[in-house]
Amino acid sequence: GENVEQHPSTLSVQEGDSAVIKCTYSDSASNYFPWYKQELGKGPQLIIDIRSNVGEKKDQRIAVTLNKTAKHFSLHITETQPEDSAVYFCAASSNYKLTFGKGTLLTVNP
Amino acid sequence: NAGVMQNPRHLVRRRGQEARLRCSPMKGHSHVYWYRQLPEEGLKFMVYLQKENIIDESGMPKERFSAEFPKEGPSILRIQQVVRGDSAAYFCASSPGRQQETQYFGPGTRLLVL
Repeated sequence: GENVEQHPSTLSVQEGDSAVIKCTYSDSASNYFPWYKQELGKGPQLIIDIRSNVGEKKDQRIAVTLNKTAKHFSLHITETQPEDSAVYFCAASSNYKLTFGKGTLLTVNP
Repeated sequence: NAGVMQNPRHLVRRRGQEARLRCSPMKGHSHVYWYRQLPEEGLKFMVYLQKENIIDESGMPKERFSAEFPKEGPSILRIQQVVRGDSAAYFCASSPGRQQETQYFGPGTRLLVL
């Protein structure tokens, strides 16, 4: 089955800096890669997703890149703000079953 | 503009009791997925249901766990004879239809087994 590795497990940045979270996956059939943000005590909230027919997607301060050959994808957050502090999860899927990474705790220091 | 709804939000059970977790998908969504999240872990797929059908239950433990999504009413995840290892957050997600539609998650039910 699919296996998703996510790094780093914790990330601390200063407000205004950029943050990058990286994930690798094992199943070459995976073709859908969402990113979720989870705040304490809440459910995961989709922030951006990418499908395998594109290499990059951007939505305001958030961007995701995908390298299918290397089987890795990354989340980029620019101009970070304290409200970006949360746990971020990457996931991969070839059908309906999302396989998640273990998460990255992002802390944005004011 | 109601999202995915889950209740209860917190549930405390003693070992051996039954736990029933409910999930109402977003309006217009007919596909429901259940995931379990252990402390400091990612979410793990349990089961995928459509109305009155279990499509894939490959992530469900073989014993004590069951799920349903009846024609009317919410989806139910049922855990019989709970054990301490069942303590986790259980999340439900829904999507409108065909495979690979974006999954929207509910707030989760945090189950604590004493």
